[in-house]
Amino acid sequence: AQTVTQSQPEMSVQEAETVTLSCTYDTSESDYYLFWYKQPPSRQMILVIRQEAYKQQNATENRFSVNFQKAAKSFSLKISDSQLGDAAMYFCAYRSWGRTGTASKLTFGTGTRLQVTL
Amino acid sequence: EAGVAQSPRYKIIEKRQSVAFWCNPISGHATLYWYQQILGQGPKLLIQFQNNGVVDDSQLPKDRFSAERLKGVDSTLKIQPAKLEDSAVYLCASSLGVGPANEQFFGPGTRLTVL
Repeated sequence: AQTVTQSQPEMSVQEAETVTLSCTYDTSESDYYLFWYKQPPSRQMILVIRQEAYKQQNATENRFSVNFQKAAKSFSLKISDSQLGDAAMYFCAYRSWGRTGTASKLTFGTGTRLQVTL
Repeated sequence: EAGVAQSPRYKIIEKRQSVAFWCNPISGHATLYWYQQILGQGPKLLIQFQNNGVVDDSQLPKDRFSAERLKGVDSTLKIQPAKLEDSAVYLCASSLGVGPANEQFFGPGTRLTVL
């Protein structure tokens, strides 16, 4: 079974600085997708960034970028120029096509709580 | 465009009581998901619908949980009878398609407290 591990329960960053959130995963499949979701306090979860495993180029979305290391099964999120609005729980997630040809379920890590300080 | 709607936002019940949650997905989204998010954990999929058919309910505790999506749009998740360990946030999400690349859009969730 696929597992997603986030080893940093909490992280803190100063406004305008850069922070990196770590994520590792375990899978025997070669074609899959990785996601970072953001869950602000009392607000709904939104997709931050998505990476397709067959693409070697790391995904970027404005101030958010990933470092995808397929061989190491590592998928970290870098937030540049951190803003107060970035404070939230961040979840790493995995999904694949699965062996039966239907998409597997979205598997989440336990999350990293990011604090942004002035 | 309206997002995923859920109600109620909060619910407090005694153990052994019944409770139901409602979800209205984004218009045109054929796939609907119910997740359970226990405090300090990531969401766990309970059930996935494609239109009004069940795609995956392998992690749904079927002795007490049930869900339906009769007309392929709105969905209801029911717990009967509730246990203390059912205290969690229940998230509904929807996506346009079933492929793994499809973005899932989440609702605000229903926070259930079982006393």
